[in-house]
Amino acid sequence: DAGVTQSPTHLIKTRGQQVTLRCSPKSGHDTVSWYQQALGQGPQFIFQYYEEEERQRGNFPDRFSGHQFPNYSSELNVNALLLGDSALYLCASSSTGTGSSGANVLTFGAGSRLTVL
Amino acid sequence: SQQGEEDPQALSIQEGENATMNCSYKTSINNLQWYRQNSGRGLVHLILIRSNEREKHSGRLRVTLDTSKKSSSLLITASRAADTASYFCATDKRASTYLYNQGGKLIFGQGTELSVKP
Repeated sequence: DAGVTQSPTHLIKTRGQQVTLRCSPKSGHDTVSWYQQALGQGPQFIFQYYEEEERQRGNFPDRFSGHQFPNYSSELNVNALLLGDSALYLCASSSTGTGSSGANVLTFGAGSRLTVL
Repeated sequence: SQQGEEDPQALSIQEGENATMNCSYKTSINNLQWYRQNSGRGLVHLILIRSNEREKHSGRLRVTLDTSKKSSSLLITASRAADTASYFCATDKRASTYLYNQGGKLIFGQGTELSVKP
């Protein structure tokens, strides 16, 4: 049973360019969240997708956008790249539930390391 | 912004010793989780403690939660070289909803870098 898969694993871009990162969630999961992790820091929440809609968003500018497809896979797009966008981008999947049951435990992919020159 | 503050930022111990990491947070929570990360790779979930629990065990892991002090600790007993990693606490403020789980928005601390020397 495959876990969360992300692609590409590494990429290098220059300032002003655009990048698309891809994520396939763990089998059985329907919610995808994206996190940005700068070197030496903890992951910071970018946004979350469920039922092909952005459900929650962190404190990130509109340059960061995403999409979820009917098969639950997701893309993260970043436009007009800045040097400060260099980071490890982590995709995490989880399973929704109704009511008060169920804990919000995330399964993470190995990440896509973006370097902006 | 990050809610969790972890202490210490770095910890170096010998194999066989116990390692204790602390986490403080700012707002009320639904649960608190600990994750482990090896060498800048993906995070792996270790243990979850709900807001109405005070202590939880899983193998060599022991987690405590003090909601009055808004703090948690992670104890790893009889550490091994393979425990070398960064450890993060993450808080979940999610209020349960009838329609769908608003899960996914975990707020992570800055992490404790643990080094276990053989």
